[in-house]
Amino acid sequence: GESVGLHLPTLSVQEGDNSIINCAYSNSASDYFIWYKQESGKGPQFIIDIRSNMDKRQGQRVTVLLNKTVKHLSLQIAATQPGDSAVYFCAENGYQGGSEKLVFGKGTKLTVNP
Amino acid sequence: GAGVSQSPRYKVAKRGQDVALRCDPISGHVSLFWYQQALGQGPEFLTYFQNEAQLDKSGLPSDRFFAERPEGSVSTLKIQRTQQEDSAVYLCASRLGQGLTQYFGPGTRLLVL
Repeated sequence: GESVGLHLPTLSVQEGDNSIINCAYSNSASDYFIWYKQESGKGPQFIIDIRSNMDKRQGQRVTVLLNKTVKHLSLQIAATQPGDSAVYFCAENGYQGGSEKLVFGKGTKLTVNP
Repeated sequence: GAGVSQSPRYKVAKRGQDVALRCDPISGHVSLFWYQQALGQGPEFLTYFQNEAQLDKSGLPSDRFFAERPEGSVSTLKIQRTQQEDSAVYLCASRLGQGLTQYFGPGTRLLVL
């Protein structure tokens, strides 16, 4: 069955370090992946996305890498700041059977220590 | 510009009560989604609208859950005869078109006592 999951439930880094958050997915037919950031009491906030015809995409301080061979997705945050502390979710756009739903993993909680 | 808004932000209901949760999507967004997020978990899909048409309701957990979007803009998620297991955050998201990013509202936190 389809599933999107994260390897590590928590990640703690020092301010200024680079952070890497990983995600595994099982549906090889998925063609669109998104990273969301969710702060306490708020809805998920879009960070960056990538389509399956790409291996890498960069934004401001963030990079998403997609390895379709091993069905792995990662989010890299450069020079991590205290404001980056949140739960990060990867999500897969499930187009299977005409569904447009997002399938989320359980999330990784990132804590940035000053 | 204005994002997705939801109301109420918090709702406490006694078991057995009916509740109605409202979502105002981003203006012009064709697609609207409802998700349920249990504590410590990722959001789980409930239902999806394209304009006023409900194209996918496969995630609704029971027939006590009902969603509508009669004019293709505002949507309401209704839960009848609420149960304690319905306690969760209910998230609404909207999207301009197919294949594009879903933008989420702040959610409604529902607590059923």
